[in-house]
Order: sequence, then C-alpha cells, then structure tokens
Amino acid sequence: TQLLEQSPQFLSIQEGENLTVYCNSSSVFSSLQWYRQEPGEGPVLLVTVVTGGEVKKLKRLTFQFGDARKDSSLHITAAQPGDTGLYLCAGAIFGNEKLTFGTGTRLTIIP
Amino acid sequence: DAMVIQNPRYQVTQFGKPVTLSCSQTLNHNVMYWYQQKSSQAPKLLFHYYDKDFNNEADTPDNFQSRRPNTSFCFLDIRSPGLGDAAMYLCATSRDIRGLKTQYFGPGTRLLVL
Repeated sequence: TQLLEQSPQFLSIQEGENLTVYCNSSSVFSSLQWYRQEPGEGPVLLVTVVTGGEVKKLKRLTFQFGDARKDSSLHITAAQPGDTGLYLCAGAIFGNEKLTFGTGTRLTIIP
Repeated sequence: DAMVIQNPRYQVTQFGKPVTLSCSQTLNHNVMYWYQQKSSQAPKLLFHYYDKDFNNEADTPDNFQSRRPNTSFCFLDIRSPGLGDAAMYLCATSRDIRGLKTQYFGPGTRLLVL
C-alpha cells in the first residue's frame, strides 16, 4: 500500500502570513495533483505536476514536485481567508488508473 | 460549464432502504470513479469503471454496487444503507489510465441515513 503523508494535519494562521504544506511518500509517482476542498463540496483541482523538480505557480500558490517524484510541497504567500479549506495531494502510479490520496491538511486563515 | 454533475446534492434515506446516487459527465472521459468521504478524511475509493470494465476495491462492502449504462452516466446503488454509510459520496472522472490521470470531481452527494 502506498502512503502519502501530509504535514501539518491542521494549520491555523493569520491573514497575510505565508505557509507551506508538505506531501511525502516512499513511492515514486508519475504525476501528483493538489486539490482544495471546501465544506460540503467536492475537491477542486489546483494543479498537476509531472516532471521531477517542476515548479508551478498559480497566483499566490507555488507547487513543487520533488526531484525523485516522491514528494511535493504547496507554498501559499500572503494567505487570505478564501484559502481556507482541506488541501489534498494525490499521486498517480505508472500504469494504474487509481490515485493515492494524502492524509489531508486542514487550513484555516484567520481574518 | 459543469463538467461532473452529481444528483441529488443531498439525500436522506432510512436504515435499510435502497438508495441510488447519480453522476454524469460532459468530458467524455473513459474512467469514472466513486469515492466515499467521511468528515475531514481523504476520499476512499469504492470502485471505478474503465469504459465498461468494472473494478471493485477489495474492501468495498457488497452493499455497494455500481452501474455505467453509457460513457456519460454512472450510478452508485446502496442496497441496504446502514448508519455507518452516512457520508459524502464523490464521483470523479479521468481521461485514461495513460497520460496525466488527472481526476475531476463532482460536487458530491451528502447521504444521511436515519
């Protein structure tokens, strides 16, 4: 069973601060996705990373895929209350149509 | 603009009364998935279809069944819901097992069992 560990599990910070969420595994993934999920809604795709060492930016969000494709990070600059939600990473294995989901990080931004 | 649609958004059923949840997609994707998600946990895969091929997860209870009559639609049938089946049920699609395998989720159906 492949495991994706996310840290921290819970994070509560003030508006305007920066934060980083980590997603780690001992498995190699062909691609890795980050989702944000708000209460009562389905996960919304933020980004897919494919290449080891790849960095993608989405406004104030920066995503990095580890060189060995075993880990990823999500950095948020100047967090806003609208960033509040459950952040999930999910990795895909070569030749397997299923995703392995991370344990999740619940982020709360305090105005 | 909706790409993965789930109906209903909220479903209340009685203990033991069969219920069917619906998912449709406008993406023409080959793969459709059903997940169960309980509070603040990651989604748990129940089963998926790759075209018409059904793939059940080993730990999915027999109480859960699925049908995919065509590319666009997929149904989740819970034959005899128990209190422990109360959860958010998520449908997702992906284009293929090759490529990025990015999954797109619907808004979910929240099931309440009385």
